[in-house]
Amino acid sequence: AQTVTQSQPEMSVQEAETVTLSCTYDTSENNYYLFWYKQPPSRQMILVIRQEAYKQQNATENRFSVNFQKAAKSFSLKISDSQLGDTAMYFCAFMKQEDSGAGSYQLTFGKGTKLSVIP
Amino acid sequence: GAVVSQHPSRVICKSGTSVKIECRSLDFQATTMFWYRQFPKQSLMLMATSNEGSKATYEQGVEKDKFLINHASLTLSTLTVTSAHPEDSSFYICSARMGQGPYEQYFGPGTRLTVT
Repeated sequence: AQTVTQSQPEMSVQEAETVTLSCTYDTSENNYYLFWYKQPPSRQMILVIRQEAYKQQNATENRFSVNFQKAAKSFSLKISDSQLGDTAMYFCAFMKQEDSGAGSYQLTFGKGTKLSVIP
Repeated sequence: GAVVSQHPSRVICKSGTSVKIECRSLDFQATTMFWYRQFPKQSLMLMATSNEGSKATYEQGVEKDKFLINHASLTLSTLTVTSAHPEDSSFYICSARMGQGPYEQYFGPGTRLTVT
């Protein structure tokens, strides 16, 4: 079974500053995917960024980037130029590569980090 | 595109009654749908995985007779909470997976269930 650990229950950052959210995971799988999801006060889960474990290059999506360290099983999220709309719960999630294309591809979530962007 | 809806968004029911929550993929066919439960200030806990036309696969500890899941079509899955009790009060979220790949999973806006 996989576990995902987010050690920072709450964080805050000044608007326009940069913040890094930590995530570590434990798995015996070699092929998997990692995700960061955002859940704003509306409770709608939104995919922020994803990373394939077989890719060495860190994923980036505009102001969001990750630092993926496979050997250390670490997957942190960096938010640059923080905006008030970034205020939300952020969940790190793990998905193992299924043996067949018809696999269920379940997500395992961490407990989340509540990020507050301060004006 | 890739929108998932849930209905109702909020529901209050009396203890002992049953309540049905619908999850629809509006503009795509969902090969798999997932049902999660989220307690206040906590993470999402997977309850079950359902594929169209087959029985749902429940996670350990989830009562399949209490949480009935039906995935009758490629765009609709329902979760029925039977004989609801106050401890069933929670936020229920569905997600739908499009295609066969690992990425295309989209979440509904959730349903707040309160059992009085």
